[in-house]
Amino acid sequence: NAGVTQTPKFQVLKTGQSMTLQCAQDMNHEYMSWYRQDPGMGLRLIHYSVGAGITDQGEVPNGYNVSRSTTEDFPLRLLSAAPSQTSVYFCASSYRTSSPYNEQFFGPGTRLTVL
Amino acid sequence: AQSVTQPDIHITVSEGASLELRCNYSYGATPYLFWYVQSPGQGLQLLLKYFSGDTLVQGIKGFEAEFKRSQSSFNLRKPSVHWSDAAEYFCAVGSNDYKLSFGAGTTVTVRA
Repeated sequence: NAGVTQTPKFQVLKTGQSMTLQCAQDMNHEYMSWYRQDPGMGLRLIHYSVGAGITDQGEVPNGYNVSRSTTEDFPLRLLSAAPSQTSVYFCASSYRTSSPYNEQFFGPGTRLTVL
Repeated sequence: AQSVTQPDIHITVSEGASLELRCNYSYGATPYLFWYVQSPGQGLQLLLKYFSGDTLVQGIKGFEAEFKRSQSSFNLRKPSVHWSDAAEYFCAVGSNDYKLSFGAGTTVTVRA
């Protein structure tokens, strides 16, 4: 199993450009999520999904869109990039059962710079 | 809403010495608690987790954590650190809606 994969690993954008960060998992996990990591702030939840066709907002959703058309994929879209979106982005997945106790598996991250 | 505080931004420890990382949480119900480790340039890896039962939890890589409800704490410990333990450590609290809230992290430096 490849686990959780993210592409690209690095990206530089200009203000106002759009792009999609890709995330895929091959573990048949129902739950997937996107976090951003900024120095001194830990990881903050952007959006999450508890299954195909279901998404919801996390702590910092503004400026980001997501969709979940398949169990495997959970792309994150930046509609009009801003310098404040410069960050490291992590995708994570886990089994969704009756307990939120399940381990979340993290991808290697995408380092995004917006100029 | 839940929240996590990690009071120590950076800790330096000698190889072979003991390590303790502090974590305090705020959550109205019984918390799901986690410790993750992030090596430089890598994603996060779960060290251990706690929901109920024995308040002393054993994890991977020789780490353990103790849940103290009266202090709202979930401190991580290791009796003898190795140079490979140099990393950033995150405490997290989970809620019934599957959201994880992370602390700001503690960076551990190991000196020879």
